[in-house]
Amino acid sequence: AQSVTQLGSHVSVSEGALVLLRCNYSSSVPPYLFWYVQYPNQGLQLLLKYTTGATLVKGINGFEAEFKKSETSFHLTKPSAHMSDAAEYFCAVSASGTYKYIFGTGTRLKVLA
Amino acid sequence: NAGVMQNPRHLVRRRGQEARLRCSPMKGHSHVYWYRQLPEEGLKFMVYLQKENIIDESGMPKERFSAEFPKEGPSILRIQQVVRGDSAAYFCASSPLPGQGGINEKLFFGSGTQLSVL
Repeated sequence: AQSVTQLGSHVSVSEGALVLLRCNYSSSVPPYLFWYVQYPNQGLQLLLKYTTGATLVKGINGFEAEFKKSETSFHLTKPSAHMSDAAEYFCAVSASGTYKYIFGTGTRLKVLA
Repeated sequence: NAGVMQNPRHLVRRRGQEARLRCSPMKGHSHVYWYRQLPEEGLKFMVYLQKENIIDESGMPKERFSAEFPKEGPSILRIQQVVRGDSAAYFCASSPLPGQGGINEKLFFGSGTQLSVL
């Protein structure tokens, strides 16, 4: 069985500061890992995903995430926050070969001017 | 190019009424997935449909819930005799490829329907 834990339902950072959103997963099989973002009144949009290969994954809008098997983590980072990054971020896991994504509860990012 | 369209955005029902949630997939997509997000929980898979076929309904509650994706028109998630516990955000996603979880798989999500049961 798979599960996802996102630490911190709300995170606030100053504009220009580092963004770090935490995600830990549990999976009995090699996982596929995803980060989705939801801007106000919009659908979830794929930021990045890890399937196989390189453990550091780069996504859109300057975000990246690193798959660390030993820590069962897939934290999302961005070196410098922008006001437009304010949104809700969801981490998800999928056992390879299935479309049944398991999502975390989400982290709402607030960017302070 | 319109994305996945869900309507209504908000739906209020009294206990015992029926709720119908609609989802129009992206153009060219024939695979639709429904997810539900209960308060304080993550999104959970409910059902996967292709045109006129239910492929996987393992996440659907056994009673009162049904889904369809007809040859013409949107996919419909129907909840009969709603109860307060059905209050949640219901998300629809679509994909151009069969839902096999392959490395090229990509789901496109709608903005969801917030169902409130009074």
